[in-house]
Amino acid sequence: EAGVTQFPSHSVIEKGQTVTLRCDPISGHDNLYWYRRVMGKEIKFLLHFVKESKQDESGMPNNRFLAERTGGTYSTLKVQPAELEDSGVYFCASSEGVWSPLHFGNGTRLTVT
Amino acid sequence: DAKTTQPPSMDCAEGRAANLPCNHSTISGNEYVYWYRQIHSQGPQYIIHGLKNNETNEMASLIITEDRKSSTLILPHATLRDTAVYYCIVRAQGGSEKLVFGKGMKLTVNP
Repeated sequence: EAGVTQFPSHSVIEKGQTVTLRCDPISGHDNLYWYRRVMGKEIKFLLHFVKESKQDESGMPNNRFLAERTGGTYSTLKVQPAELEDSGVYFCASSEGVWSPLHFGNGTRLTVT
Repeated sequence: DAKTTQPPSMDCAEGRAANLPCNHSTISGNEYVYWYRQIHSQGPQYIIHGLKNNETNEMASLIITEDRKSSTLILPHATLRDTAVYYCIVRAQGGSEKLVFGKGMKLTVNP
């Protein structure tokens, strides 16, 4: 079984530019989560999809972040415009059921210069 | 937000059992104990979870005290590849489904 895959693995952009991160969950997993770790901090929850619907987006830092999951398959997380403080590692996770364990991808390391 | 406390670090000799403690004194009746680990530059990896009974899988064993206020993750034969940050997390059933990560505990397995 293929795991959660994230693209790209690394991204370096300049402040003010736009970046789109992609996550492909494990096939058949309705639940998809985004998390991030900024330098020196703990891993923080961003949001949770159930199929294509946003179940909980309480962790989204501001309106420069937009997450979508059209069709309930893969998800994208767009940062526009990127700021220096957005640098960090963005993790995606999926689970089969709401109470099933989350399985994480290896993350996208975003560097904003 | 984390509702667990773990020592910041621990060392273990290769081939020996690693016993990783976690305190969750305010755990509620509907909260499970989850363990994840993060090996450098990888995403968090699920290890095991339990409610009140002890659990075992191919990776580890989870021992939860009778009062559920603490638990121990046991890696029976630690290898160098088990060096990682280990996270003990309580996760409610019936409330928010998200995992809340704390600082975790760095386990170093020494040769």
